[in-house]
Amino acid sequence: ETGVTQSPTHLIKTRGQQVTLRCSSQSGHNTVSWYQQALGQGPQFIFQYYREEENGRGNFPPRFSGLQFPNYSSELNVNALELDDSALYLCASKLGGISQETQYFGPGTRLLVL
Amino acid sequence: SQQGEEDPQALSIQEGENATMNCSYKTSINNLQWYRQNSGRGLVHLILIRSNEREKHSGRLRVTLDTSKKSSSLLITASRAADTASYFCATWGGGSTLGRLYFGRGTQLTVWP
Repeated sequence: ETGVTQSPTHLIKTRGQQVTLRCSSQSGHNTVSWYQQALGQGPQFIFQYYREEENGRGNFPPRFSGLQFPNYSSELNVNALELDDSALYLCASKLGGISQETQYFGPGTRLLVL
Repeated sequence: SQQGEEDPQALSIQEGENATMNCSYKTSINNLQWYRQNSGRGLVHLILIRSNEREKHSGRLRVTLDTSKKSSSLLITASRAADTASYFCATWGGGSTLGRLYFGRGTQLTVWP
């Protein structure tokens, strides 16, 4: 077990809706990253947060946004859902800041957009 | 793109055999990491090899890195049915992309009892 939890495990939404996914990291893990994994693909980096501020974003539009809280939990928000947003969303956290090489992944939230 | 690409896409072997997966990438790296994923769930970190290392071992795992060819391989010896999973290589970003992992599409390994 990595100590990283995500909720919910599964979610079904319709196109145009908004969704919030949650991640809870281990105490002290001040960096969290979010990844999107489409079926049959490898995970793609969405963004990372360090000490509650966004620090790096991948090739994802602004309708993907995030928050990191002082209690080491974080959220991924996606507005105006599109069919292509259907994927497994993974969060990963680490202790020691952005330069720390080892991160711990949660089990993921599987989102289906109809 | 720094993204790694694994080869083969799928590998099917018998228990007790060795499994070798290869990874190629495009840009210079600080390190390369291998992950395992069971049935579309979370990723489990297996091993990390730094750019100045050529070979690393962890239990039944052996990883090699050839920075001149921009390639890495993961060898699982004496495979077991429980090794059935998807395996991903990931390059670790530096500079302006510090802290990001760039994954390939993965190799689906099936080990038959």
